[in-house]
This record gives sequence, structure tokens and C-alpha cells, in this order.
Amino acid sequence: GNSVTQMEGPVTLSEEAFLTINCTYTATGYPSLFWYVQYPGEGLQLLLKATKADDKGSNKGFEATYRKETTSFHLEKGSVQVSDSAVYFCALTRNSGGSNYKLTFGKGTLLTVNP
Amino acid sequence: NAGVTQTPKFRILKIGQSMTLQCTQDMNHNYMYWYRQDPGMGLKLIYYSVGAGITDKGEVPNGYNVSRSTTEDFPLRLELAAPSQTSVYFCASSSGRDRDYGYTFGSGTRLTVV
Repeated sequence: GNSVTQMEGPVTLSEEAFLTINCTYTATGYPSLFWYVQYPGEGLQLLLKATKADDKGSNKGFEATYRKETTSFHLEKGSVQVSDSAVYFCALTRNSGGSNYKLTFGKGTLLTVNP
Repeated sequence: NAGVTQTPKFRILKIGQSMTLQCTQDMNHNYMYWYRQDPGMGLKLIYYSVGAGITDKGEVPNGYNVSRSTTEDFPLRLELAAPSQTSVYFCASSSGRDRDYGYTFGSGTRLTVV
């Protein structure tokens, strides 16, 4: 079946540091890949996505590239801010039959950015 | 634009009590989902629906029931609450074009069973 593996957290960085959160996946065919972000006390929000190999998703200074050869979708940001402190989830979706797609999530990585 | 609205935000139940978690979306999405989030465990799918009158089980359906009488509403029913159901519950919806747009999530219901 489909699965997503994220690096274990928590991750603690100083402001303006470089961020990488690793994500690898197992799926047949060509899944779409997503990063969701969950700020404290809130629901999940879509951060970025990529729908085919070599696509780069980007938003709010975050980037991730769909690497089919390494089955990876690592999240990066060049200079983190305190406001980036949140839990980050990697996810994939595949057609599960008919037209219904269901998301499979990683366990989440807690990021704390200190001033 | 309200998106996905969940009520209540917090609830404490005693063992054996029942309750309904409400979820409403105003985006005319056909697909709706219930997830539970346990610490360090990510999100697990409880039930989902592909349209009014159609529901199906996810990974962890035991102890829960759902109904979908309208496109907008997808309530989750807990019968005979147990401590193992202490969790944060998220409702989500999608247009079905998830490869392009992903899901829209509600802000969650934090449930404690004591």
C-alpha cells in the first residue's frame, strides 16, 4: 500500500537558519505529493504540491521537488522565521478507484524556530 | 467564505457517553473525510464519503459511525466513548480533484474521554 516516511522531530532552529525536512514515499504509479502545515491550535493548510516527476512546488519561501528516482519530496526553506514554527506533514494521494482520491499522511515533523 | 466548520472545538466525555461531532462545508464539495490525530502518529482516516448518501470505512472505523444526508454536512457519531478515543478530530473536504487542489481542513475538535 501507499506510505509516507518523514524525518523524526522535533526540529529546533534559530531564525534565518536553513531548513530541510526529509520525506520519502512508497506508492505505485504516479502519486501527487503535498506538504501541509499545521499552526498551533489550527487545522492543516495546504503549503505546496507537485503532481509529476521533477515538478517543484513552492509557497511562502518553502520549496520541494518531486524526485521519482529517489521517491522523495524534501521540504526546504533558505531562511526560517519564528512564524514558521508549526507541524509539517508530507502527504500523497493516489486514485483509490473510481474518481476518489484519498490522502496518506506522514507522522508530521514539529518545527520550532527561536529568535 | 467559511470553508469547513467543525463544532465543538473542545469536549470532555465520560466513559460510555455518546456524542456527535459536527462538520459542515460550504464549498459544494462531494468528498468529505474524518481523520483523527494522535500525538506522534500523524492522521488516520476514520470514515469518508463520496457524496450524499454514500459513506465508507477508512483505516480506523471501529467505535464510530457517520451519515451523509446532505452535501454540506458530515457528522461523526461516537457511541459508548472509550479512553482510546481521546484525540483531535479533523474533518476535511475536497472537490475530488485532489491531485490539483488537495483537501480543505476544519480547525479540529479536541476530545478527551475520562
